[in-house]
Amino acid sequence: KQEVTQIPAALSVPEGENLVLNCSFTDSAIYNLQWFRQDPGKGLTSLLLIQSSQREQTSGRLNASLDKSSGRSTLYIAASQPGDSATYLCAVNAGGTSYGKLTFGQGTILTVHP
Amino acid sequence: DAGITQSPRYKITETGRQVTLMCHQTWSHSYMFWYRQDLGHGLRLIYYSAAADITDKGEVPDGYVVSRSKTENFPLTLESATRSQTSVYFCASTITVYATGELFFGEGSRLTVL
Repeated sequence: KQEVTQIPAALSVPEGENLVLNCSFTDSAIYNLQWFRQDPGKGLTSLLLIQSSQREQTSGRLNASLDKSSGRSTLYIAASQPGDSATYLCAVNAGGTSYGKLTFGQGTILTVHP
Repeated sequence: DAGITQSPRYKITETGRQVTLMCHQTWSHSYMFWYRQDLGHGLRLIYYSAAADITDKGEVPDGYVVSRSKTENFPLTLESATRSQTSVYFCASTITVYATGELFFGEGSRLTVL
């Protein structure tokens, strides 16, 4: 069974810092990995999708990398801003009998203070 | 408006009552999903659908019923609500479950069962 772990569970940083959020998964047979952002009381917003054949994806100040062989992904946020404060979740789309059924990590709660 | 919409956004009901949560998407995505989000458990898949009239169970299907007579709608019914079904429910959709499939979420339906 695929398991997804996110470290750290919570992170508090001053504005302007570069930071890294980690996501690890147990089964490397995946189609893709997706990073989401969730604001309090809101739905999940897709940030980046990395296909299994890709190593990284970038969107603005966000960069996500994927190392399938080691079962790891990182989300790098450059020059953090208070508006980046949210919960960040990673989700893995596995193949086989689990195809299409994303497995989510527990999330990292990020607080960026001015 | 285009996208994925859920209704109602908030619902309070009593134990034993039937409740239906609605989900509508305008992208003509083939695949639709229902997740529940609870503290300590993260996001868990309840049911998913690969197309109209094709549905299958996820991780926590007990006590829920789904139907998909039209591609754009995927209602979730709690036949006899229990307190343990108090949760936030998210509907999601994607065009494909393979590598390029990005998952999009609705804003959620917060259900309280008294």
